[in-house]
Amino acid sequence: KAGVTQTPRYLIKTRGQQVTLSCSPISGHRSVSWYQQTPGQGLQFLFEYFSETQRNKGNFPGRFSGRQFSNSRSEMNVSTLELGDSALYLCASSLHPSVRAGHTEAFFGQGTRLTVV
Amino acid sequence: AQTVTQSQPEMSVQEAETVTLSCTYDTSESDYYLFWYKQPPSRQMILVIRQEAYKQQNATENRFSVNFQKAAKSFSLKISDSQLGDAAMYFCAIRGTSGSRLTFGEGTQLTVNP
Repeated sequence: KAGVTQTPRYLIKTRGQQVTLSCSPISGHRSVSWYQQTPGQGLQFLFEYFSETQRNKGNFPGRFSGRQFSNSRSEMNVSTLELGDSALYLCASSLHPSVRAGHTEAFFGQGTRLTVV
Repeated sequence: AQTVTQSQPEMSVQEAETVTLSCTYDTSESDYYLFWYKQPPSRQMILVIRQEAYKQQNATENRFSVNFQKAAKSFSLKISDSQLGDAAMYFCAIRGTSGSRLTFGEGTQLTVNP
């Protein structure tokens, strides 16, 4: 069974540009969450999608957006890039967002390393 | 709101010895789940162990075990018979029952000395 796949693995962009990152969850998983990891702020939650609907959003500016497709694949977009957006972006997939369904584990991809210059 | 605190930025252990990583948390929810994740240099976050808050019995996975003290809101990870491959950043995390959002601690960098 393939794991969570994130593309691209590395990306270099210039300030002011926009970027789109992709995440393909484990087959059968319908919940996808995104996290930003930086040395200064640690791991911070960006947003969560289930059945093509955003269920939860972290405390990030509107420049950060995402979506989920009918096949559960998800993309996140950052517009008007700033130097501070340089980070490792991690995607996690789960079977279902509710632990009451018995699915508590999140599986992570290897991340996309974004560098803004 | 949920918060997780890991007070040990770095820890080291000799190969084959035992080490304990500390974690405290705060949550207003009565039902929640706690996790320890490992992030090696490859950056892949790997689930090490999980604990359901409603279970009093401490979780164990091979050489990894937890000491869950619900009243104290403490969730420490014990690694027995440490191996070189255990060297990584370890994150403690919590999630509630609604949604899959995880709140992470700052992480503890574990070094295993041969």
